[in-house]
Amino acid sequence: EPEVTQTPSHQVTQMGQEVILRCVPISNHLYFYWYRQILGQKVEFLVSFYNNEISEKSEIFDDQFSVERPDGSNFTLKIRSTKLEDSAMYFCASSPEIQETQYFGPGTRLLVL
Amino acid sequence: AQSVAQPEDQVNVAEGNPLTVKCTYSVSGNPYLFWYVQYPNRGLQFLLKYITGDNLVKGSYGFEAEFNKSQTSFHLKKPSALVSDSALYFCAVRDDGNAGNMLTFGGGTRLMVKP
Repeated sequence: EPEVTQTPSHQVTQMGQEVILRCVPISNHLYFYWYRQILGQKVEFLVSFYNNEISEKSEIFDDQFSVERPDGSNFTLKIRSTKLEDSAMYFCASSPEIQETQYFGPGTRLLVL
Repeated sequence: AQSVAQPEDQVNVAEGNPLTVKCTYSVSGNPYLFWYVQYPNRGLQFLLKYITGDNLVKGSYGFEAEFNKSQTSFHLKKPSALVSDSALYFCAVRDDGNAGNMLTFGGGTRLMVKP
């Protein structure tokens, strides 16, 4: 069964550094998403992406965040200058159509020191 | 605006007993409702969804959920719990009145099934 994959599984970085989180969505899916889950808190929506454009973003997704689909398979989330409060589990998801189920990857645990 | 509430942080049930994990929602349009499960150090696994049609939805691993429009609820149920069902369960909603596809999640309910 096709799955969303994410790399790395864990990332430790220093405050102020840039990080790139990578995702490979399910191959025939058209919509891609990033969510995050701060330890012990809710899963929160960050951004959705369709047809090489951001289709929706939350207040969390400020100028330090960006997303890209650099090729036909990868979908990336970049955090330009990490802050301590960016420490969280970041989940990538994809869906075949806008109304369809979103399937989540295993997540990348980001720790900012 | 769309929101979800899971009123119980934890639900304890004995193996073999029925279980219910509660979820209520608020949307301005019609709801698309989802249940996901998260095992330790794993991602979110899709269990089931309600879009339209029958109010009782059946999903993976013997789980089902009942959509109740008047009570704005979508409780997750299973007739006979297994120890392996112990995990964190999240209810999520999307308002079909929103142009985007953002899911809003509840805070999660930890299910503990004891042998």
